[in-house]
Amino acid sequence: NAGVTQTPKFQVLKTGQSMTLQCAQDMNHNSMYWYRQDPGMGLRLIYYSASEGTTDKGEVPNGYNVSRLNKREFSLRLESAAPSQTSVYFCASSEVTARNQPQHFGDGTRLSIL
Amino acid sequence: DQQVKQNSPSLSVQEGRISILNCDYTNSMFDYFLWYKKYPAEGPTFLISISSIKDKNEDGRFTVFLNKSAKHLSLHIVPSQPGDSAVYFCAAPAAGNDMRFGAGTRLTVKP
Repeated sequence: NAGVTQTPKFQVLKTGQSMTLQCAQDMNHNSMYWYRQDPGMGLRLIYYSASEGTTDKGEVPNGYNVSRLNKREFSLRLESAAPSQTSVYFCASSEVTARNQPQHFGDGTRLSIL
Repeated sequence: DQQVKQNSPSLSVQEGRISILNCDYTNSMFDYFLWYKKYPAEGPTFLISISSIKDKNEDGRFTVFLNKSAKHLSLHIVPSQPGDSAVYFCAAPAAGNDMRFGAGTRLTVKP
């Protein structure tokens, strides 16, 4: 069972370059999420998509855009990468966006911006 | 504004003993809490949860306790096993669809 698949696993960018992080889930979940994790901090929500065709901002959306391509896929784009965006990015999904729904996470993309 | 706090970055226990991981929160509107476990180079996986209408939830070796008046919850692992060595995150659904995570506690269980 693949669950939530993220690509790439690692990426190094130069400041100002653009990049799209890909995420796909095979659990037929309606809701998908993008988080970032920085040292000494918990995961912080960047954007989420409650259902196909909808996206909403989370706690830290600045500098990012997202696309819910279809029910399976949810991508995160950095248009002009900045060193402050160096982080580990996690994609997650859940059946619905109910408060008691656990989320299923991918293994992360480690992104370094020089 | 860190609404969910895990003040102990690390914890080391002996195999077979109890592990107690703590979590504090500041937002009295939180009504549900989840614990996730994370191994290196993997994403977090859901472990156990508790609703604010309960003060305890048990699942095998894992028990979560909630003290609403103190805005405190704890995860007990008994008995601890080397395979439990991981980072544990406490989380709470916030307003909208935001999920607030603590910074995590790294548990090491020594054989």
